[in-house]
Amino acid sequence: GDSVTQMEGPVTLSEEAFLTINCTYTATGYPSLFWYVQYPGEGLQLLLKATKADDKGSNKGFEATYRKETTSFHLEKGSVQVSDSAVYFCALEGLAGGYQKVTFGTGTKLQVIP
Amino acid sequence: DAGVTQSPTHLIKTRGQHVTLRCSPISGHKSVSWYQQVLGQGPQFIFQYYEKEERGRGNFPDRFSARQFPNYSSELNVNALLLGDSALYLCASSLGQGKETQYFGPGTRLLVL
Repeated sequence: GDSVTQMEGPVTLSEEAFLTINCTYTATGYPSLFWYVQYPGEGLQLLLKATKADDKGSNKGFEATYRKETTSFHLEKGSVQVSDSAVYFCALEGLAGGYQKVTFGTGTKLQVIP
Repeated sequence: DAGVTQSPTHLIKTRGQHVTLRCSPISGHKSVSWYQQVLGQGPQFIFQYYEKEERGRGNFPDRFSARQFPNYSSELNVNALLLGDSALYLCASSLGQGKETQYFGPGTRLLVL
């Protein structure tokens, strides 16, 4: 079945540092790929998405490119801020047996220190 | 526009009790999915409903059930609660089946004592 593997955290960075969170996936067909962010005590917020190979999703300075050849969707940001501290989930969405299902990675906690 | 709403926000139950969680999708969305997120883990798919019919089910016991109403809102029911059912329960809605983005609600945090 579908699966998502992302780097374990926590990741601790200083403000303005460069961020990379690795994500690889296994899926049949052509899934859509997502990054969700979860701030403490809150639900999931969609950060960015890409629906086909070579698409680049971007939002709030974050970027990720759908790489079918390496089955990857790594999250990057050039300069992180303290407000970026949260848990980041890589996810894929595919159709399985006629229904829409999102498969999540285990999450990577990011802590940005001033 | 209102996003996905869920109620209650928090809930405390004891083992063996029953719980009902509620979800209202974004206006115009006909599909609702439920996820369980145990502390420190990613969300796990429980159910998807579309046009009031169950379209998909994850690897959860029969104690978990759900339904969708004519207005597309949904309820998740869990019987005979176990300590391990303590989690954040997330509802997500989308327009319908297909490659569409699911939008998540804030979740209901259930604690089973």
